[in-house]
Amino acid sequence: NAGVTQTPKFQVLKTGQSMTLQCAQDMNHNSMYWYRQDPGMGLRLIYYSASEGTTDKGEVPNGYNVSRLNKREFSLRLESAAPSQTSVYFCASSASRGVYGYTFGSGTRLTVV
Amino acid sequence: DQQVKQNSPSLSVQEGRISILNCDYTNSMFDYFLWYKKYPAEGPTFLISISSIKDKNEDGRFTVFLNKSAKHLSLHIVPSQPGDSAVYFCAARTQNRDDKIIFGKGTRLHILP
Repeated sequence: NAGVTQTPKFQVLKTGQSMTLQCAQDMNHNSMYWYRQDPGMGLRLIYYSASEGTTDKGEVPNGYNVSRLNKREFSLRLESAAPSQTSVYFCASSASRGVYGYTFGSGTRLTVV
Repeated sequence: DQQVKQNSPSLSVQEGRISILNCDYTNSMFDYFLWYKKYPAEGPTFLISISSIKDKNEDGRFTVFLNKSAKHLSLHIVPSQPGDSAVYFCAARTQNRDDKIIFGKGTRLHILP
């Protein structure tokens, strides 16, 4: 099925460990985004990529890095995980200036202990 | 500074009645407003949108109203059904070319039998 695929769906990390969250879309969208969702905080933008080869910081970029590997794939890396990064992470993509907004993946639930 | 505000964290409505979810915004540069619906353990899905040049958009049971002078929009669901129980995010897109969307914190809607 066409859409946004995120892996893994669940992950538990120890403080200080690193990991990469993977995201791929097959809709030929130009723009891709990483959000985190925390209780009472809504969806907050971590990083985004308006087109292949470009990335920009969002609202809460500290502690994260991203790579736009190609048009399809946009990964999010936690170099040294902290308990404050326990969250649900959503990847999204959009056609440029699309009026339907974003298509979201199903999320990665990350727990840092 | 929160640019998109959903001041009601939760709302309970009787099945068959009207659900009204409210949203306020502060940025006059928003050109599109969107509503997303989110079920537990799933990513948000697009529900309905409205251009800033319109004051109403309707899609089946869902209608969004925009009052630009008050910087306020609302989502009406008529009649409310059990499957409407979910978290609803109000979102707004800026006129910048980077296509970023800013989300509110969400309102949890409970449809009561």
